[in-house]
Amino acid sequence: ETGVTQTPRHLVMGMTNKKSLKCEQHLGHNAMYWYKQSAKKPLELMFVYNFKEQTENNSVPSRFSPECPNSSHLFLHLHTLQPEDSALYLCASSQAGRGVQETQYFGPGTRLLVL
Amino acid sequence: AQKITQTQPGMFVQEKEAVTLDCTYDTSDPSYGLFWYKQPSSGEMIFLIYQGSYDQQNATEGRYSLNFQKARKSANLVISASQLGDSAMYFCAMREGPLNTGNQFYFGTGTSLTVIP
Repeated sequence: ETGVTQTPRHLVMGMTNKKSLKCEQHLGHNAMYWYKQSAKKPLELMFVYNFKEQTENNSVPSRFSPECPNSSHLFLHLHTLQPEDSALYLCASSQAGRGVQETQYFGPGTRLLVL
Repeated sequence: AQKITQTQPGMFVQEKEAVTLDCTYDTSDPSYGLFWYKQPSSGEMIFLIYQGSYDQQNATEGRYSLNFQKARKSANLVISASQLGDSAMYFCAMREGPLNTGNQFYFGTGTSLTVIP
């Protein structure tokens, strides 16, 4: 595997379900991100992890719970979601410390539908 | 104020022609980086090109070039010799420098490009 991978690619869940999204980066990076992309809205940054430590949480509801066990893996645990949480969830990674040229590389995303 | 503005929601271009996608940005930081990404219908955001605020020359990567006009705060993407596979959403993004302590990329709302055979 190369780059950033995400599983599953598609997910349909009910509002009472619990599921997890997985992201893995094979680039040797030390920072990982979760973004939400809803239709006709800019990308919304949800969480940032630098060296496995969460450094940002942009007022994300507690029904989204991130986990970063090591610098290569990132999870997003989902529970009691709402229909408005339906979106494309993108994971990204970067090599922190490169200043303004720190480029984020994205995975293919998970398309989530909450019924 | 919007950090990144992309004013063209949709663009059409004839195959083999060149097309320019507009991007303007807003920052008071003298050091910043500008990025363009391509997002096909499959969803993955693909990094295309980077321009640093102190770079003297416009960035180029194959058929992609960045028309960087610092005084106008614009960073337009030029795609030469368009191909059908170029049909996608294109996002402009910015990372600010030392005055900004966050990790945040600022993304625009994107431009949908359709290449016509």
